[in-house]
Amino acid sequence: KAGVTQTPRYLIKTRGQQVTLSCSPISGHRSVSWYQQTPGQGLQFLFEYFSETQRNKGNFPGRFSGRQFSNSRSEMNVSTLELGDSALYLCASSLNTASGETQYFGPGTRLLVL
Amino acid sequence: GENVEQHPSTLSVQEGDSAVIKCTYSDSASNYFPWYKQELGKRPQLIIDIRSNVGEKKDQRIAVTLNKTAKHFSLHITETQPEDSAVYFCAASRSNFGNEKLTFGTGTRLTIIP
Repeated sequence: KAGVTQTPRYLIKTRGQQVTLSCSPISGHRSVSWYQQTPGQGLQFLFEYFSETQRNKGNFPGRFSGRQFSNSRSEMNVSTLELGDSALYLCASSLNTASGETQYFGPGTRLLVL
Repeated sequence: GENVEQHPSTLSVQEGDSAVIKCTYSDSASNYFPWYKQELGKRPQLIIDIRSNVGEKKDQRIAVTLNKTAKHFSLHITETQPEDSAVYFCAASRSNFGNEKLTFGTGTRLTIIP
C-alpha cells in the first residue's frame, strides 16, 4: 500500500496570505490527524477528522481550519499567515479500530512565512 | 489535558551500549503509548507501541516498559548502532476504539558514537 502523501512538500508565503495543504491517507484509513512541528514547541496536535467530521481539536486559533472529503483525503487551511506559522505540518492517518489506532505520518509540508 | 514530559533532551552513547529514554504522563485515562523515531528531514516513524494492559513489550533490540501506577513509560535500545542516531518522541493518547489525539513529549536527540 502507498503511504500517506502530502502536497505540496515546500511552500513559501508572506504574512497575511492564506495557504491550503493537502493530505491523502493510506488506502482504507478513515481518520486523518494534523500536527504542527516546530523546534520550539515540538509536535502539537491541530485537529483530527473522521468520516468528514472534525472529532478532536487542539489549542490553535481559528485561523487554522480543516476539512475531510468523502474519499478521506483532508485539507488544512491557514488564513492571515503570521511569521510564527512557519513550521513543518504533518498529517497522519489511522485505521481507527480497536487494534488499529497506530498513526502513520506523511512526509510533511514545510511552510515558510516571510 | 494530557501533558507528556520526556527526558533526557539529548543523549550520547557509545556504539554497542544501551540507551534509555523516559517519559511521564499526567492523564490517568491515557491507554496507548507509541514511540516514534524521526531522522533528519524525514517523517516520524513508529518503532514500537504499548497499550495499558501490557507492562512490557519487546521487538528485537527495542523494548518499552510501562508503569501505570507511576504514570511513566520508557524506551530501551540495546546494542546501539550508528543508524539508531535520530530524535525519538514518546506520545500518549486515550485510544478508546478510535483515534484520539496524540500528545507528544519534547523529543530526545540520540547520538551513537562510533
